[in-house]
Amino acid sequence: DAGVIQSPRHEVTEMGQEVTLRCKPISGHNSLFWYRQTMMRGLELLIYFNNNVPIDDSGMPEDRFSAKMPNASFSTLKIQPSEPRDSAVYFCASTFPKASYGYTFGSGTRLTVV
Amino acid sequence: GESVGLHLPTLSVQEGDNSIINCAYSNSASDYFIWYKQESGKGPQFIIDIRSNMDKRQGQRVTVLLNKTVKHLSLQIAATQPGDSAVYFCAEKTAGGYNKLIFGAGTRLAVHP
Repeated sequence: DAGVIQSPRHEVTEMGQEVTLRCKPISGHNSLFWYRQTMMRGLELLIYFNNNVPIDDSGMPEDRFSAKMPNASFSTLKIQPSEPRDSAVYFCASTFPKASYGYTFGSGTRLTVV
Repeated sequence: GESVGLHLPTLSVQEGDNSIINCAYSNSASDYFIWYKQESGKGPQFIIDIRSNMDKRQGQRVTVLLNKTVKHLSLQIAATQPGDSAVYFCAEKTAGGYNKLIFGAGTRLAVHP
């Protein structure tokens, strides 16, 4: 199993540009989570899906952030327009929906907005 | 992906010593807890978990203790090795399903030879 796959690994973009981060969860996992990690705020849950349906997006910081999960094997996190304060490492994680399973995290995308 | 150089509390230990990393969790209704390890350049990795109906669980070289009275969780690492150097996070699952995990701030463990 290749694990949770995120792309790109690194993204540098100019303020105002649209950024799209991608995630492929582990096959068979039907819960998917997007986290953001920053120096100031640590690991923050942005949004999570169960069976491709967004369950809780209360962690999404602003309307500039949006996430989709069109099918069980793919999710995107989009920032439009991007701002320097969005610079962070963004992690995707997946798991089974029942309790007693920890998440499997991807390697993350380091986003730098200049 | 990388850990982001968080300004975290740091625990420094000598190789071969035992390490104890502590965590205070926030929600008395949380029913499941996990410890994660994050090495530089990687995402968090599952180490060990414990359910709220237990107060101790052991793995290979690691033990998690749960004190629900004071909402405290600890991770004990026996015979700490240089490869244990990382940032360690505790996470709690809020009761109610969907495995929503809330992470603590993390502790950096530095193992010295």
